[in-house]
Amino acid sequence: GAVVSQHPSRVICKSGTSVKIECRSLDFQATTMFWYRQFPKQSLMLMATSNEGSKATYEQGVEKDKFLINHASLTLSTLTVTSAHPEDSSFYICSARDRRVAGLSNSPLHFGNGTRLTVT
Amino acid sequence: GDSVTQMEGPVTLSEEAFLTINCTYTATGYPSLFWYVQYPGEGLQLLLKATKADDKGSNKGFEATYRKETTSFHLEKGSVQVSDSAVYFCAMFHNTNAGKSTFGDGTTLTVKP
Repeated sequence: GAVVSQHPSRVICKSGTSVKIECRSLDFQATTMFWYRQFPKQSLMLMATSNEGSKATYEQGVEKDKFLINHASLTLSTLTVTSAHPEDSSFYICSARDRRVAGLSNSPLHFGNGTRLTVT
Repeated sequence: GDSVTQMEGPVTLSEEAFLTINCTYTATGYPSLFWYVQYPGEGLQLLLKATKADDKGSNKGFEATYRKETTSFHLEKGSVQVSDSAVYFCAMFHNTNAGKSTFGDGTTLTVKP
């Protein structure tokens, strides 16, 4: 089945530093990937849509200069949390849809295993 | 706009009990509906899906039927196991929504032996 690899699974960084999270589709290509933040009470918040070869589309209220997204190839999107602060500590999850079926209404999302970011 | 509302948790059941997690949606047109499951410390996995009215999705003993008349997609399982303890998300996908899916807030299920 379709696999999305997210790395690292866990990272601890100091306040003020930047952290990069990678999301790779291993056996399919994705023109679009999605980045979410999951809060302690479990709800998923869509942060942005990562578009291969073009700028990401950010959801309202998400700072694009703080959460930099790059989607340089059909199999890789990265999220960089810049100048991280303790309030950025969270669980970040990416997902992708196989480009071959992305236009079909029944195509599911494939999720990475998430990255637990802790900013001290 | 599009939205998904699912039963608030947490839900705690004994092993072999019957499970229902309610999910209703609001959308224009006819979205596809999904249930995803998230085990502790992991990302989400597709559990089952249905793409049109009266379709029944099923997997691992779980079932959900796409009910257009009640705009619902309730998740059911006849006999839960401890290993079913997880967070369950109801979601819909409308390919007119810029490729984005809409998720419910998740329901935590704990099954006790």
